[in-house]
Amino acid sequence: DAGVIQSPRHEVTEMGQEVTLRCKPISGHDYLFWYRQTMMRGLELLIYFNNNVPIDDSGMPEDRFSAKMPNASFSTLKIQPSEPRDSAVYFCASSSPGLYNEQFFGPGTRLTVL
Amino acid sequence: TQLLEQSPQFLSIQEGENLTVYCNSSSVFSSLQWYRQEPGEGPVLLVTVVTGGEVKKLKRLTFQFGDARKDSSLHITAAQPGDTGLYLCAGAEGGSYIPTFGRGTSLIVHP
Repeated sequence: DAGVIQSPRHEVTEMGQEVTLRCKPISGHDYLFWYRQTMMRGLELLIYFNNNVPIDDSGMPEDRFSAKMPNASFSTLKIQPSEPRDSAVYFCASSSPGLYNEQFFGPGTRLTVL
Repeated sequence: TQLLEQSPQFLSIQEGENLTVYCNSSSVFSSLQWYRQEPGEGPVLLVTVVTGGEVKKLKRLTFQFGDARKDSSLHITAAQPGDTGLYLCAGAEGGSYIPTFGRGTSLIVHP
């Protein structure tokens, strides 16, 4: 398996622009997680899905953030409009509960909002 | 909300030294995981511990789960530059499938 795939790896955009991050989880995993990592806050859980259904989005900072999972092999995290404080590394991870929910992370998307 | 405290936050040592990093909480965990994250990459799972008092070894790394399943430690023997990275612990409480991550210990091993 190729592991969790994220795109793009790097994104530089200007304040106010829409940003879409993409994730393809490992085939057969039924949980998908979106995290944000910064030096100040560490790794923060934004939202997670189970069987394509959003279960807990309490970590989403505000209404500018939205996430979708239209099918088992694809998810997006969208920021609209983006702000400089959104600059961070965004990770997608997938897991299967049979493995104590051990999470497999993608390589991340480094987002810079100017 | 469970809170995982990791210590120390930063550790800079010379190649060949031994070190221990800690992960503590007031919550009881059904399972606890350790991940290592190298610069520019996502965290990678090292080990999962599930039984109080459990000890697992992975080459020069020794992981221990506390008897009460509230804390864990990671000991590295004869550290090498390749051990450099951010070490994260993550615990899942009760029947939850959702682990909470600590802030991590950033380790640098100098050649």
